[in-house]
Amino acid sequence: DADVTQTPRNRITKTGKRIMLECSQTKGHDRMYWYRQDPGLGLRLIYYSFDVKDINKGEISDGYSVSRQAQAKFSLSLESAIPNQTALYFCATSDVGAEQPQHFGDGTRLSIL
Amino acid sequence: ILNVEQSPQSLHVQEGDSTNFTCSFPSSNFYALHWYRWETAKSPEALFVMTLNGDEKKKGRISATLNTKEGYSYLYIKGSQPEDSATYLCALSRDDKIIFGKGTRLHILP
Repeated sequence: DADVTQTPRNRITKTGKRIMLECSQTKGHDRMYWYRQDPGLGLRLIYYSFDVKDINKGEISDGYSVSRQAQAKFSLSLESAIPNQTALYFCATSDVGAEQPQHFGDGTRLSIL
Repeated sequence: ILNVEQSPQSLHVQEGDSTNFTCSFPSSNFYALHWYRWETAKSPEALFVMTLNGDEKKKGRISATLNTKEGYSYLYIKGSQPEDSATYLCALSRDDKIIFGKGTRLHILP
């Protein structure tokens, strides 16, 4: 079983809809992250959390919100989806410390029509 | 401000040849530099982390060095194999922040 699980793996939806992407982990890590990947732009940090109910904005948080109600779960919401939020979304976890590597889920491919 | 640049953006290498590419940063105000390997249709996987000027890490045919004084890290691949085809990401991290470069896309030609 994967240590970091993202659901759904693929989603197609319409402009204006509310979308929630889920991430769960069995690694016991305190830190969790949401990224989006767009061609030519690399991975960009949306939000991150260092502990339950701790929420921090990343580089591109506008249009997104997150929830961290339990150590193992970190969900990302698009309140009103727009086409330029079409991207590949990754969840990651890490142990405490800047030297700790990130462990990524398999990604969610989201298309907003 | 954390900033990271990777070059080249894309690279084609003949199977069996060795290669290297660069991660550069204008400021050393970070605690750790990470290299990740990202194969198509998979998720990024950690290769190395380095924290000190002069650090060198090696895993099989792949190695990396860090020079914080001159602002760069090199990733070397010796004797490239088809399975080395991937995007290689560099990331800088502090305790409160992490930033990824855009990656170097490596294609190994048979």
